[in-house]
Amino acid sequence: GEDVEQSLFLSVREGDSSVINCTYTDSSSTYLYWYKQEPGAGLQLLTYIFSNMDMKQDQRLTVLLNKKDKHLSLRIADTQTGDSAIYFCAETPMEYGNKLVFGAGTILRVKS
Amino acid sequence: EAQVTQNPRYLITVTGKKLTVTCSQNMNHEYMSWYRQDPGLGLRQIYYSMNVEVTDKGDVPEGYKVSRKEKRNFPLILESPSPNQTSLYFCASSPLGTGPNYGYTFGSGTRLTVV
Repeated sequence: GEDVEQSLFLSVREGDSSVINCTYTDSSSTYLYWYKQEPGAGLQLLTYIFSNMDMKQDQRLTVLLNKKDKHLSLRIADTQTGDSAIYFCAETPMEYGNKLVFGAGTILRVKS
Repeated sequence: EAQVTQNPRYLITVTGKKLTVTCSQNMNHEYMSWYRQDPGLGLRQIYYSMNVEVTDKGDVPEGYKVSRKEKRNFPLILESPSPNQTSLYFCASSPLGTGPNYGYTFGSGTRLTVV
């Protein structure tokens, strides 16, 4: 079955690192994604990782994937107030083709 | 500009009054989908379409209808809205295929309130 779980809220101080965690259930997912939703806006693709990778770094973003535990994390270095948003983890179970299965979203609040 | 356009952005309606939320994309994408977003539940898929005249149920289709008569349009129809359909709705489109090159483009959302 498909299920993606995330913690609902994270609060950090500006300049600190943020780590948002996600667990997923479908090991057939070839790609795992992080989407960002700013207030009043739709979702935008932030980054992704292919399932045969352990880590991917993209400027301030680091994605770690533990396939054995089906655990995905997003680390944001030097978190800024502009990073305040809802972050969604998503998987693409192979049997469902184009379908994205989303977690509940983590609200990141950055305090200045 | 490549985009998915939803209308209206905000809608307040009464129980039982039929409504349609429109969705249009200008990227010639085959795949289109509707999601609803509720606090603590994330985004759940309502319906999706793989191409013209091909639609199928998602995870929460009850109380909704869709149609795909043209490739660019994918309206969401609520024949008899109820208060439990109060939510934030997103339309998304993508080319067919998996991977980041086939990523979704989302509309800006429609906030629907049913009283």
